[in-house]
Amino acid sequence: AAGVIQSPRHLIKEKRETATLKCYPIPRHDTVYWYQQGPGQDPQFLISFYEKMQSDKGSIPDRFSAQQFSDYHSELNMSSLELGDSALYFCASSLARVYEQYFGPGTRLTVT
Amino acid sequence: GQNIDQPTEMTATEGAIVQINCTYQTSGFNGLFWYQQHAGEAPTFLSYNVLDGLEEKGRFSSFLSRSKGYSYLLLKELQMKDSASYLCAVRDRQAGTALIFGKGTTLSVSS
Repeated sequence: AAGVIQSPRHLIKEKRETATLKCYPIPRHDTVYWYQQGPGQDPQFLISFYEKMQSDKGSIPDRFSAQQFSDYHSELNMSSLELGDSALYFCASSLARVYEQYFGPGTRLTVT
Repeated sequence: GQNIDQPTEMTATEGAIVQINCTYQTSGFNGLFWYQQHAGEAPTFLSYNVLDGLEEKGRFSSFLSRSKGYSYLLLKELQMKDSASYLCAVRDRQAGTALIFGKGTTLSVSS
């Protein structure tokens, strides 16, 4: 079965640079979620989209923005990167907002 | 706010049964999820409980008591590949669709 696709899988950036992470949800899933997981930490919810509209907002810094496009894929844009942004970024998708979330393989972002 | 507690580490042997407990405090409970996560990999969905009782799925079962704010994940016939972190997550109406994760329980299965 098709799963959530994330790209790139690994990304290395320098401080103050920008990064764009992409997420392609499971076909027919209309809800996308972004989570950040630091080393040894639990996943922290950043933001979600339902039917191309922002649904809920968590602990997403103002330096980050995201959107969901007409084909339901989503992009997380990160600017003025800081060392503390180094983490695994997971995208998850679900069918509507009430069902279980399926996670993608993640993007490992390293900021140097 | 939300508060989710689960043991940090557990150990067990192959073929055994292990129960991982999770207690939570939320103002608008709207479902509890269990995920398995191997180091550096994505969380994998295991189970979902929204009503009281036991949900069984193969070697894995999950139980929920809403009045007690309590859930457990039961793993039977443990295999070495079950060594992983097990994350308890709740959905709270105040947080909308977000999953609020506990710190996770690292399970080590030995032969």
